[in-house]
Amino acid sequence: KAGVTQTPRYLIKTRGQQVTLSCSPISGHRSVSWYQQTPGQGLQFLFEYFSETQRNKGNFPGRFSGRQFSNSRSEMNVSTLELGDSALYLCASSSQAGRTDTQYFGPGTRLTVL
Amino acid sequence: AQSVTQLGSHVSVSEGALVLLRCNYSSSVPPYLFWYVQYPNQGLQLLLKYTSAATLVKGINGFEAEFKKSETSFHLTKPSAHMSDAAEYFCAVSTPYNQGGKLIFGQGTELSVKP
Repeated sequence: KAGVTQTPRYLIKTRGQQVTLSCSPISGHRSVSWYQQTPGQGLQFLFEYFSETQRNKGNFPGRFSGRQFSNSRSEMNVSTLELGDSALYLCASSSQAGRTDTQYFGPGTRLTVL
Repeated sequence: AQSVTQLGSHVSVSEGALVLLRCNYSSSVPPYLFWYVQYPNQGLQLLLKYTSAATLVKGINGFEAEFKKSETSFHLTKPSAHMSDAAEYFCAVSTPYNQGGKLIFGQGTELSVKP
């Protein structure tokens, strides 16, 4: 079974731009969670989508948004990029909502904002 | 509310020595606890998890952890370090499903292994 895939793996943007990251979950998994990893703040939960609905959201500004498609693939979007948005963005998939005990992580997308 | 504290941001051991990475948690409900490993430029790989079954949990690559409720600890150990164990390790606690079901991570411990 293929694992969680994230595209692109690396991205460079400039301040003020917007960016879209993609996450394809393990086949059959319907839940996708997103996490941001920075040296200063560590790993922080962004949001979780299940069956195309956002079921949980972390403490991030509205510039961070996401969506999930009917095939369970998820995208997250960051608008009006700031230098502090430079981070590794990780997604994780699981078969059921909120099931962190059966969650698998992807390799991440490294976003650099210049 | 749940939280995790990892004691020591950097730990250095010699090859063949005991690895001990410390994690203390705070949780208002019986927790799910996890240890993840991250190699440079990679995602998170699950080492082991505690989900209220046996308190001594064995994971991959020879790692194990013991859940101690009285000490609110979930320390990670490995009897003999290998060079390939050098990586960053994260302890995490999960909020219950009905409270969001998300992972709350510690700040991480970077493990160095000296030859």
